[in-house]
Amino acid sequence: DVKVTQSSRYLVKRTGEKVFLECVQDMDHENMFWYRQDPGLGLRLIYFSYDVKMKEKGDIPEGYSVSREKKERFSLILESASTNQTSMYLCASTLNPLGLYTFGSGTRLTVV
Amino acid sequence: KQEVTQIPAALSVPEGENLVLNCSFTDSAIYNLQWFRQDPGKGLTSLLLIQSSQREQTSGRLNASLDKSSGRSTLYIAASQPGDSATYLCAVLDSSYKLIFGSGTRLLVRP
Repeated sequence: DVKVTQSSRYLVKRTGEKVFLECVQDMDHENMFWYRQDPGLGLRLIYFSYDVKMKEKGDIPEGYSVSREKKERFSLILESASTNQTSMYLCASTLNPLGLYTFGSGTRLTVV
Repeated sequence: KQEVTQIPAALSVPEGENLVLNCSFTDSAIYNLQWFRQDPGKGLTSLLLIQSSQREQTSGRLNASLDKSSGRSTLYIAASQPGDSATYLCAVLDSSYKLIFGSGTRLLVRP
């Protein structure tokens, strides 16, 4: 089975800190995605990448950036964390955008 | 802009009951529709994927249907069990290859 691993289940960070959320997949998938999930708003796409070194903005990229130096790793960066970035962050990957998506277990980030 | 709606937001049923979860979408230009399950505090698990050319897909006690022209999908769960308790999310892959999610239906199956 494809595994998508998010390095932290829970994180607490202070306002203004630079935060790195790591995601690693083990099945050579080209396509990787970062979502955030908030009550009443569902999952919203932050950034995605269809190839190494390639990154595209999703629907809510403000305040975030990403890095994809290697195919298996896709990192989400909060340049200066703010309280409105408190959320559940979910990483996903897929071999083919038309196929099944595999999600990680999520990182619940609290910014205080 | 594609919007995905799931009704009801929450559902409580006794064990053994057959149930239907509903999903509707506003733009019929989709590549596929997927149903996911999410347990509290966890990530999403893919349940079923229906391509736009298909009408339904089945996996065990789950059956998902798709009526693209009317913008509707249903997830049918037969003989529900307490272990089915979770949030069920539907998502459509839109014409720009983005997966657009509904807000989910929270299901509780009572023993």
